[in-house]
Amino acid sequence: NAGVTQTPKFQVLKTGQSMTLQCAQDMNHEYMSWYRQDPGMGLRLIHYSVGAGITDQGEVPNGYNVSRSTTEDFPLRLLSAAPSQTSVYFCASRTGRNQPQHFGDGTRLSIL
Amino acid sequence: ELKVEQNPLFLSMQEGKNYTIYCNYSTTSDRLYWYRQDPGKSLESLFVLLSNGAVKQEGRLMASLDTKARLSTLHITAAVHDLSATYFCAVDSTGGNNRLAFGKGNQVVVIP
Repeated sequence: NAGVTQTPKFQVLKTGQSMTLQCAQDMNHEYMSWYRQDPGMGLRLIHYSVGAGITDQGEVPNGYNVSRSTTEDFPLRLLSAAPSQTSVYFCASRTGRNQPQHFGDGTRLSIL
Repeated sequence: ELKVEQNPLFLSMQEGKNYTIYCNYSTTSDRLYWYRQDPGKSLESLFVLLSNGAVKQEGRLMASLDTKARLSTLHITAAVHDLSATYFCAVDSTGGNNRLAFGKGNQVVVIP
């Protein structure tokens, strides 16, 4: 029972590079979200989705894109990496409102 | 915009004593979640509180929700070292979306 799987677990990028953080869940959850966690800041919502084909911006969406072509996958794209995007990124899913989120193990991203 | 405030941000506890940590939020909501995070790890769901007056207990932890005061408390009874972690509360915004707001966390250290 895999739950929420994030890849890669660690990544180092140079400023200006682009990359995609992968997130997949095998629980048939409609709701998925991306967060970033920075020291002393808690978790901040980047983008979220309530089902395939439906996405919306969260609190800190600038510099990130998402798509949701299937129920299982919710990739996060960094268009042109900046040092301010150095963070730990968590993907989460849940069946709907009234349910807790299931979190992936996180991706630790450093941008030089 | 929904804002979530947790207090205190850091709490040093003595083993065997009782403590309470607090989560306040800024707008109407009746869905509140508590999570635990160990250093370098992901978040684990502890409690789901879905109505005014809801109380949930698991071991030495008890969470409650007062939606009129927009306040949730997490009470720790007879603290033990294994409860050392960061505790996050999260609140669902109103409306049919997946927009969850997190507080900055309560970092708890239990000292023998």
